[in-house]
Amino acid sequence: DVKVTQSSRYLVKRTGEKVFLECVQDMDHENMFWYRQDPGLGLRLIYFSYDVKMKEKGDIPEGYSVSREKKERFSLILESASTNQTSMYLCASSLPERSTGELFFGEGSRLTVL
Amino acid sequence: AQSVTQLDSHVSVSEGTPVLLRCNYSSSYSPSLFWYVQHPNKGLQLLLKYTSAATLVKGINGFEAEFKKSETSFHLTKPSAHMSDAAEYFCVVTLNTGGFKTIFGAGTRLFVKA
Repeated sequence: DVKVTQSSRYLVKRTGEKVFLECVQDMDHENMFWYRQDPGLGLRLIYFSYDVKMKEKGDIPEGYSVSREKKERFSLILESASTNQTSMYLCASSLPERSTGELFFGEGSRLTVL
Repeated sequence: AQSVTQLDSHVSVSEGTPVLLRCNYSSSYSPSLFWYVQHPNKGLQLLLKYTSAATLVKGINGFEAEFKKSETSFHLTKPSAHMSDAAEYFCVVTLNTGGFKTIFGAGTRLFVKA
C-alpha cells in the first residue's frame, strides 16, 4: 500500500520558534508538495519539488523554506513561526509528468503557534 | 484562465437518499479530473479519477462521477448516502501544461442526517 507519512500530527509552538515538518513517501515518487489548508481558503501550495535538491515556490512561499536531500523525504521549515502560520499542513507526492497527476496525501500536521 | 468551481459549499442529505456534489471546471487544456474526500483531521483520499478514458467513472465506497465535456462538469454522485460519507469533498483538476498544474475546488462539506 502506498504511503505518505507526516511524522508530527499535532504540534504546538511559540512565536519565533523554528519548526520542522517532515514528510516521507515510500512510493519512489519524483514529485513532492507542501500545502496548507485553512477554513474558507481551501488548499494553497507552499512549495514543491520535482527532484532531489530541487525546489520551486508555490503560491504562498513567504515565511517558509524546504529541503529535499533525499528522494523520499521533503521537509517544510518555518524559520521563525508566527501566529498566522497556525494551520493544517498537508504533504503530497505524485509521479512525474507522464502520469495523470494523481496526488497521494499524508494525514496532515496540525500546527498551532501561540 | 483555469478554474474549478464547486457549486455548493454545504450539502445536507438524509441517510439512504442520493448524494449529488457539483463541480464545474474551466480549462483550455485537456484536464484530468479527480474527486478527493477528507474526513476530519485527516489527509485527502482519492475517491475516483477521470483521465480521458470512459466518461462515467466509478470510485470507492459506491461513488461515481460523469465527465461531461459539453457542460464542463464532473459531478459526484452516490445512490444512497451512509453516515460514514459525512466529510469534505474536493473536486480537483490537473493540467499537463508542460509541467503539472493542480487546481483545487474550495470543497463541499457533506452532512448526512440519520
